[in-house]
Amino acid sequence: AQSVTQPDIHITVSEGASLELRCNYSYGATPYLFWYVQSPGQGLQLLLKYFSGDTLVQGIKGFEAEFKRSQSSFNLRKPSVHWSDAAEYFCAVVGGIQGAQKLVFGQGTRLTINP
Amino acid sequence: EPEVTQTPSHQVTQMGQEVILRCVPISNHLYFYWYRQILGQKVEFLVSFYNNEISEKSEIFDDQFSVERPDGSNFTLKIRSTKLEDSAMYFCASSQGPTYGYTFGSGTRLTVV
Repeated sequence: AQSVTQPDIHITVSEGASLELRCNYSYGATPYLFWYVQSPGQGLQLLLKYFSGDTLVQGIKGFEAEFKRSQSSFNLRKPSVHWSDAAEYFCAVVGGIQGAQKLVFGQGTRLTINP
Repeated sequence: EPEVTQTPSHQVTQMGQEVILRCVPISNHLYFYWYRQILGQKVEFLVSFYNNEISEKSEIFDDQFSVERPDGSNFTLKIRSTKLEDSAMYFCASSQGPTYGYTFGSGTRLTVV
């Protein structure tokens, strides 16, 4: 069964600094990968997704992620964070593209921005 | 942009009572899901629903839980006899298929007292 590990529970960065959130997945075949963001008290908003093709994926709000099969990773990056990026970030994987495939989420990484 | 709508946003109920959480998925979506998130923990899959039947359910989704799509637009999660440990945020999601992504509602915070 597929699984996702987000090694960092909490990360603090300064406003304007670069950001990388780590995500490692476990799945035997080609995974379908997602990053979601959750602001306090809010729902889950899709940042970006990867299914195939170019391994560098661009998303909303200036985020990007790179799929690296050799490292089973799908790390999220942003060159310069803004105070509004403070939120919880979830990496998720789907095991297939047919039918009612469920998303399997990682534990999440809480991002704090220092002014 | 189309949204998944969940009501109520917050529900407080007494232990042992039945609750129904309601969701209106995006109209042309085919696949429907319920997830839950206990405070401070990860988002956990409960159940998926397609073609008017359950496709998959997790071990959390025991006999006290049920789902229904009563009228072709609403998608409900019923918890028959609530327990303290059912306190969580419950998210509804819908999808046209995995390659299109999954749209989540804003959640219902259920508090069992």
